[in-house]
Amino acid sequence: SQTIHQWPATLVQPVGSPLSLECTVEGTSNPNLYWYRQAAGRGLQLLFYSVGIGQISSEVPQNLSASRPQDRQFILSSKKLLLSDSGFYLCAWSVAGVSTSPLHFGNGTRLTVT
Amino acid sequence: AQTVTQSQPEMSVQEAETVTLSCTYDTSESDYYLFWYKQPPSRQMILVIRQEAYKQQNATENRFSVNFQKAAKSFSLKISDSQLGDAAMYFCASCTYGQNFVFGPGTRLSVLP
Repeated sequence: SQTIHQWPATLVQPVGSPLSLECTVEGTSNPNLYWYRQAAGRGLQLLFYSVGIGQISSEVPQNLSASRPQDRQFILSSKKLLLSDSGFYLCAWSVAGVSTSPLHFGNGTRLTVT
Repeated sequence: AQTVTQSQPEMSVQEAETVTLSCTYDTSESDYYLFWYKQPPSRQMILVIRQEAYKQQNATENRFSVNFQKAAKSFSLKISDSQLGDAAMYFCASCTYGQNFVFGPGTRLSVLP
């Protein structure tokens, strides 16, 4: 069966520090991968998605970047965090090429920038 | 562009009763898919139910069912025999083939004992 791992679960970082959140998927090949952000009490905002290694699409211009160095690994990064980067970050995957495939989410990372 | 609207920021239901959460969407596509996700206090996103737009029959998963009205672009979620564990944020989402998911703003459901 497929599983998705996302870490860390919680992170407190000072303004101006770098960020690296990692997500890996097991049990499937060539998944579509996504990074979402959820502000407190709000909906989900798509940040990045990837349909293959090295292929990243950005939905919102921001202080963050994403990379996909391996087929089932997706990394969210920042060189210098801003206060506004605080939030709950969710990684997700879906089956590529299957229109009915739902999103399968990781457990999320709660990021607090101080 | 797709849009998803959930007009009820908060809802409450008595335990064992039935509640319906509303969702409307807008898309110019004829082939699309609709989903309901649940986000409990743990904040993990859990798929509740999904509906293919080409199917006329409403999807059902145990105590959860949908009322899909394609002409009205409405996709409501009915929870029967509500349980305390149903308390969560519920998100409606749509997806068009080749496009990304679009989520509504969510409805917070409280279940009263």
